[in-house]
Amino acid sequence: GAVVSQHPSWVICKSGTSVKIECRSLDFQATTMFWYRQFPKQSLMLMATSNEGSKATYEQGVEKDKFLINHASLTLSTLTVTSAHPEDSSFYICSSSHSLAGVYNEQFFGPGTRLTVL
Amino acid sequence: GNSVTQMEGPVTLSEEAFLTINCTYTATGYPSLFWYVQYPGEGLQLLLKATKADDKGSNKGFEATYRKETTSFHLEKGSVQVSDSAVYFCALTDTNAGKSTFGDGTTLTVKP
Repeated sequence: GAVVSQHPSWVICKSGTSVKIECRSLDFQATTMFWYRQFPKQSLMLMATSNEGSKATYEQGVEKDKFLINHASLTLSTLTVTSAHPEDSSFYICSSSHSLAGVYNEQFFGPGTRLTVL
Repeated sequence: GNSVTQMEGPVTLSEEAFLTINCTYTATGYPSLFWYVQYPGEGLQLLLKATKADDKGSNKGFEATYRKETTSFHLEKGSVQVSDSAVYFCALTDTNAGKSTFGDGTTLTVKP
């Protein structure tokens, strides 16, 4: 399968600062990338869908001004957590996918980024 | 909307025991079905998948069959090992929108 990397793998920041997380599709042109959030011992919650060259589509309840997503190329999407607060502490996972003749199939997941906000 | 329901855990088994983790789904259209495994502190790894009814996905001794009539995709393994201890997620992907819906995860612990 395709290889997806995330950077950083973990980050600790002070409350009020912004943190950028990168998601790279290393050997695969991802027309679509997804951002998920996972709380301890819980499932993945889809935050937003990011299509290359267009604005991200956010799921209900996710603040788009707080979680800024940019998908400037077919291999890179970034998630910026602005003015982070302790409740934003979580495990953030991205995935990449593409559609073939309008049909999506498998997603390829990154290893995740552990964010801790003090 | 789409939903995935999987067997609640945790599940604790002895080595070489038979494993079943139930998964049922609700979806419009014809989703693809997946099982992912997550080890502590790591991301998700694809374990197996099936893209259409009656397909059987298999990998590392794990199997699951896409049953459209019962809307199920139960995960099975004939003989588990300690190294199989992890959290297992059942998921479906809407092949038109690309979005995935995950079950709540089942924690498996295998004791020697």
